[in-house]
Amino acid sequence: QKEVEQNSGPLSVPEGAIASLNCTYSDRGSQSFFWYRQYSGKSPELIMSIYSNGDKEDGRFTAQLNKASQYVSLLIRDSQPSDSATYLCAVNLDGDKIIFGKGTRLHILP
Amino acid sequence: NAGVTQTPKFQVLKTGQSMTLQCAQDMNHNSMYWYRQDPGMGLRLIYYSASEGTTDKGEVPNGYNVSRLNKREFSLRLESAAPSQTSVYFCASSVRRSNYGYTFGSGTRLTVV
Repeated sequence: QKEVEQNSGPLSVPEGAIASLNCTYSDRGSQSFFWYRQYSGKSPELIMSIYSNGDKEDGRFTAQLNKASQYVSLLIRDSQPSDSATYLCAVNLDGDKIIFGKGTRLHILP
Repeated sequence: NAGVTQTPKFQVLKTGQSMTLQCAQDMNHNSMYWYRQDPGMGLRLIYYSASEGTTDKGEVPNGYNVSRLNKREFSLRLESAAPSQTSVYFCASSVRRSNYGYTFGSGTRLTVV
């Protein structure tokens, strides 16, 4: 059973601090990795994709990938109350479909 | 640019009733997907269509059927609804297979009583 594991949280972070979200995956053949943000009652929204080892930065978001350790992370700098949401880690599987982790709830404390 | 449009947004069914959830995308995407999301279970793939004319089962296909009507539309049918199918259903599409991530529709909240 191929899986994506995330800590369910909630992860509470003070406003202005760095939020660090982590994810591990089981399929060594996976090539594409994604972070989605989902607000309560809304649909998931793609915020980051990463395909090679290392860091990828987009504004306040940085995705990190380590294929040897089968580990993906998302850093959110200068956290804002609007960042409070559930963050879903997702991994491409066999090129045809993506499997999702169950998500980490992030709460930014004003 | 509407993206991925799902109808209806809310639905209540009685056990044994049938219904079809509609999904359409206007982004010229090749691949389309149906997921369900339940508390504590995350997003689970029901069926997908990697390209027009093809459909395949996902993780939880039992009790569902799909039709890829054309490149734009991918419908999900519940032939005889059961309370276990109470869930939020999301349709998603992707440019080509799943390598570039998905765009999701706004979801259908289905309750089976």
